[in-house]
This record gives sequence, C-alpha cells and structure tokens, in this order.
Amino acid sequence: DIQMTQSPSTLSASVGDRVTITCRASQTIDNWLAWLQQKPGKAPRLLIYKASNLESGVPSRFSGSGSGTEFTLTINSLQPEDFATYYCQQSKRDWTFGQGTKVEVK
Amino acid sequence: QVQLVQSGAEVKKPGASVKVSCTVYDYTLTELSMYWVRQTPGRGLEWMGGFDPEESKFIYAQRFQGRITMTEDTSRDTAYMELNSLRSEDTAVYFCATAYYWGQGTLVTVSS
Repeated sequence: DIQMTQSPSTLSASVGDRVTITCRASQTIDNWLAWLQQKPGKAPRLLIYKASNLESGVPSRFSGSGSGTEFTLTINSLQPEDFATYYCQQSKRDWTFGQGTKVEVK
Repeated sequence: QVQLVQSGAEVKKPGASVKVSCTVYDYTLTELSMYWVRQTPGRGLEWMGGFDPEESKFIYAQRFQGRITMTEDTSRDTAYMELNSLRSEDTAVYFCATAYYWGQGTLVTVSS
C-alpha cells in the first residue's frame, strides 16, 4: 500500500497568514495527488486535483505543487472560512489519505 | 453540478449487515467511477473500494475482503455498499465519492 504522511498535524495561524502543508508519499505517485478540505460534520471537499489543478469554484488563494513523492498545499492570505482540516489523497493506486492537518485559530 | 445523496443513519447490532445507498443527481452513474470511504476518529479516512473501469469490476481494500459487496443499479443511478459481520470498530461515517464529488456521509453505529 502507498502510505501518505502529512505535516504538521496541527497548525495555528491568523487571518491573513500564508499557510503551507506538506504531504509525502511512500513511493512515487507521479501527480496523482489531491487536496481536500473538511469542516466538522461535513463531507470532504475537493480543492486541488492532479497536484496543482484548482477545482472549479475554489478560491485562487489555494495552490498546490509537487510531483513524485513530495507535495505542498499553500493557502495565501488565510480567511476565516479556511479554518478546517486538510487532507492529501493519492489515487495512483487505489486511494490513500494523509492523517490530516487541522488549521486552527492562533 | 453532480450531487451524491446518501441514505440515512443506521444503528446495527454486532454481527448484522448494513447497506448504504448513494444516488447520483444531475449526472448518470455509468459516467462515473464510484468509490466508498469511511471515516473514524482513530483511523481517519479509509478507502474501502470502488469500481475499476479498466478491469470493469469492483475492487475492494484487502482489509474488507470477504465481508463487503458493492453494487450499482444504473436504472436508478444508485450505488450500494453492503458490509457484513459488523463489529463495534465498524462504527463510522461512510461516504460515497467520485474523483471530484462526495456524498454527505452516512453514520453507521454498531452497538449491542
């Protein structure tokens, strides 16, 4: 199985901050990497697909980069509605998810 | 916009089975590859399986092999996931999902 490791597990930030979350795959997944946002009691929502493609309707302050085994999600100028938990997800072989990064108010 | 609407919460006793449905709106099921994921506080998001279009069959995560069945009724644009021999550790929120869209989730509680 392909393992996905996210860091950090928790991130304290303020509105307006630039936030970076990283995800590492245990083997190469090319660019088969998505980033999801989840708020309490809600389903995950797709933000980024194929490592760097912004899903329709997602604000441009979200961006993704990377390929192979190392990936990054960046949120520029964090907004109040961005406080949530973020997951990376590989789809190179089956699906595997990172353990999540909770972005909380500093 | 594609909508995936799941069936309601379930409470089951250990050893029982549960069948969760997922209906597609504003699209047709045959144009999608549907997967199932569950979420627990302890194990996070777990992929359970789904339809592999290349092999044209359902594939299941090894840890669920033998007690999970996924089916589809294309006339109703509805996908189903049935899990048997339930135990307390199967208490979770179950999601259907495609590459781009997720259902709202179905809470399954297993308790005696």
